[in-house]
Amino acid sequence: DAGVTQSPTHLIKTRGQHVTLRCSPISGHKSVSWYQQVLGQGPQFIFQYYEKEERGRGNFPDRFSARQFPNYSSELNVNALLLGDSALYLCASSTTGGPTEGQYFGPGTRLTVL
Amino acid sequence: GESVGLHLPTLSVQEGDNSIINCAYSNSASDYFIWYKQESGKGPQFIIDIRSNMDKRQGQRVTVLLNKTVKHLSLQIAATQPGDSAVYFCAESPYTKLTFGGGTRLMVKP
Repeated sequence: DAGVTQSPTHLIKTRGQHVTLRCSPISGHKSVSWYQQVLGQGPQFIFQYYEKEERGRGNFPDRFSARQFPNYSSELNVNALLLGDSALYLCASSTTGGPTEGQYFGPGTRLTVL
Repeated sequence: GESVGLHLPTLSVQEGDNSIINCAYSNSASDYFIWYKQESGKGPQFIIDIRSNMDKRQGQRVTVLLNKTVKHLSLQIAATQPGDSAVYFCAESPYTKLTFGGGTRLMVKP
């Protein structure tokens, strides 16, 4: 079975631009979470979605938004990009997103903001 | 607040030796913990998990120990191999999100 897939793998944007990152969960998983990982640190939680509904949101500004589609894939959108948004954006999927379920990560999208 | 930390930022071991990576957590409400391995340029890879009603769980060459009294988690890797070289994160899940620590880099010397 395919694991979590993310696209694109790398992306370069300039300040003020907008970006859309995409994620497809493991087959059968209905929950997707997004994390931001800056170099040298652990991932930081951004959003969790389950059955197209937002279940949780981390401490990120409103420039960050996400949605989940009927096929359980998801998009993360970031508006008005700042230099500090440069990071590895990770998507993780789980069966239902419950607190005692394993979350499985994709390879990430490396975003560079110039 | 919620936090997960690691005691040692870098651990260097000889190939074939056992490795122990430690982690402290602060949220008493956490019911679930996961260890991840992350190689350079890749996403975190699920290694092993443990629920709060357990003290120990074993996998293939890996063992996780949980001490709820002192809020401590450890990952033991038996017969460490060069392919084990990576950054290891512990993560706790008091709710639906995962809270990660800063990571420990494991370096395996041949």
